[in-house]
Amino acid sequence: SQTIHQWPATLVQPVGSPLSLECTVEGTSNPNLYWYRQAAGRGLQLLFYSVGIGQISSEVPQNLSASRPQDRQFILSSKKLLLSDSGFYLCAWEGPTSGYTFGSGTRLTVV
Amino acid sequence: AQSVTQLDSQVPVFEEAPVELRCNYSSSVSVYLFWYVQYPNQGLQLLLKYLSGSTLVESINGFEAEFNKSQTSFHLRKPSVHISDTAEYFCAVSDLSGGSNYKLTFGKGTLLTVNP
Repeated sequence: SQTIHQWPATLVQPVGSPLSLECTVEGTSNPNLYWYRQAAGRGLQLLFYSVGIGQISSEVPQNLSASRPQDRQFILSSKKLLLSDSGFYLCAWEGPTSGYTFGSGTRLTVV
Repeated sequence: AQSVTQLDSQVPVFEEAPVELRCNYSSSVSVYLFWYVQYPNQGLQLLLKYLSGSTLVESINGFEAEFNKSQTSFHLRKPSVHISDTAEYFCAVSDLSGGSNYKLTFGKGTLLTVNP
C-alpha cells in the first residue's frame, strides 16, 4: 500500500535561518507531489507541485523553493526564513483516482 | 480559474443533531469534488469524493454530499453527529483541464464543533 512520510512534525526556527522539510512516498512510482501551506483562517494554499524528477512548478512567488531529487522525494526549502513563513506545511501525493493523500504535516514556527 | 467558497467558517451543533456544511464552487470546466476532514494537528483525510455517476456520494462514517451542477454546490450533510465528528472540514475542487495532474483548490474550511 502507498504511504507518505513527512518530517519533522514540529519545528521552531529563528528568523533568517535556513529550512528543509522532507516528504517521501512509498509504494508508488512517478507520483504527482504537492506542497501546501495552511495558515489559520486561510485554508490551504498550494505552494509547489511536481510531476516528475527535477520538475517543479511554483504557484505563488515567495521566500520558499522546492526540489525533487528522486522520484519519491519532495523537499521544501528556504535560505532565510521570514516570520510570515510560519504555518502548517502539508505534503500530498495524487492518487490514481484524483484524490490526494496527505502527510501528517509540519508545524513551523519562525521566531 | 476555479474557486471554492465555504459559506460558514464555524458550525456549532449539539450531539445527535443534523448538520449541513455548505460548499459552492466556480469553474469553467467539468470538475471533481472532494471533502476532506482535519483533526487537530493532523494532516487532511479524504472523507468522500465525486468524480462521476451518481450525484449523491457517501462516506463510511455516515456523511454524505450531493453534487448539484446547476447550483454549483457540493454540500456535506450528516443526519446525526457525534462528539468525535468535531474537526475542520475542507471542500476542494479539481478541474479536468490540468493535463498530467489535478491541482486541488481548497475552501477556507469549516470548523464543526459538536457539543454534548
